[in-house]
This record gives sequence, C-alpha cells and structure tokens, in this order.
Amino acid sequence: QQQVKQSPQSLIVQKGGISIINCAYENTAFDYFPWYQQFPGKGPALLIAIRPDVSEKKEGRFTISFNKSAKQFSLHIMDSQPGDSATYFCAASAVGTYKYIFGTGTRLKVLA
Amino acid sequence: KAGVTQTPRYLIKTRGQQVTLSCSPISGHRSVSWYQQTPGQGLQFLFEYFSETQRNKGNFPGRFSGRQFSNSRSEMNVSTLELGDSALYLCASSLYAGLESPLHFGNGTRLTVT
Repeated sequence: QQQVKQSPQSLIVQKGGISIINCAYENTAFDYFPWYQQFPGKGPALLIAIRPDVSEKKEGRFTISFNKSAKQFSLHIMDSQPGDSATYFCAASAVGTYKYIFGTGTRLKVLA
Repeated sequence: KAGVTQTPRYLIKTRGQQVTLSCSPISGHRSVSWYQQTPGQGLQFLFEYFSETQRNKGNFPGRFSGRQFSNSRSEMNVSTLELGDSALYLCASSLYAGLESPLHFGNGTRLTVT
C-alpha cells in the first residue's frame, strides 16, 4: 500500500515530441505528489508538484495530470528537448509522515 | 546560497566495517532526510530529522543510524557493512516541516562495499 508504481522504465522520444510518464498509488492518505528530475552524478531536483484537489498543473513545458478517483498521476513534457534527457521520479507523501515514497524512475532519452 | 553538501563523494569499504556519512543542509533549513538510491529499488527513505529529533525511520535494519546536530548538520552511520549496502546515499534538506516545503538534495555519497 506504500508503493508508488511508475512506468515506463525507459522512454525514447524524438526532439519536439511529448514525453509521458505515469504513476499509480494505493494509499489514499497521500496528499502531495512531486516529480523530481535527476541528471547523472547529481541529486534529484524538484520539477513540479501537485495536491489532489487540483486535476492539472502546468509549469512551462511540464504538466502534471492528476486523477484522484483512479489514484493515478502523470507527467507530460511538451516539446521535449535533448536537455530533458534525465531520470524522472514521481513521489508521494502524506501529512505527518515526513517522508516521500518514490517511484522506481523513468530514464528519458530525447533524440536530437 | 550554497546547496546541500555531502561528504565524502565516494567511499570504498570492506564488509564488516562501519562508515559515517556527513551532510550539511542549506543554511536555514532545519529538516534533513536521508535516502538510499539503488538501480533496482529507486530511492528508499532512511530517516528524517528536525531540530535534532528523529521523526520517522524507514524499513532498514538497526545497522543504519543517524543523528542531527544543533546546527542542523546531520550524519548517518552504517555498521557491519554488507555487500548489499552498496548504493548512493542522498541527503536532502527542507526549510520547514510542511508537505510543500520542497526537498533539496545533495549530490550524494557513493558507497561501495567490497
């Protein structure tokens, strides 16, 4: 019940295309869902985050879509660029737990 | 503003030894968390500290321990190292304890156990 399932494990997209990464959870106590981006040799960095009372949040080329009833959320990267090539992690957290449950990551490669 | 600093960047240890990893959070951040990152498991929560108090601990054996000092700097210790402890250990700090206070990660300490 504490897991966050992330798919796909890897993704190859052409420059200018849309990258879509999906995550699903079971624990209805989760109420904060961030996405992190990690480049090789670096720690993860917060990309964008959403609360369950919002169905969509957009920041630049990055959009989170959230489906509370299905307990799923996804990251869409519009107009994908080679510089977006990185590993992306979804995560979830519940108030009072002081911890994040991370998905297993998606390695994105954007071809020039 | 300096980011989260983890030292050392790389460590090679032998089975049975112990190791101490250090983390200096962003100035003003009082919450420090530790995560273990491995290729198969992703990021796994180890523990979180706020004002020198451990508020949560992940599902790791007692060989993994940590502490936080009054200046918010934190250390984690792993005793009796096993081969499976080889991983990237990430420290993250956040400004306050709330959910929407984002985690700021360091670049990690790569531990190799031989």
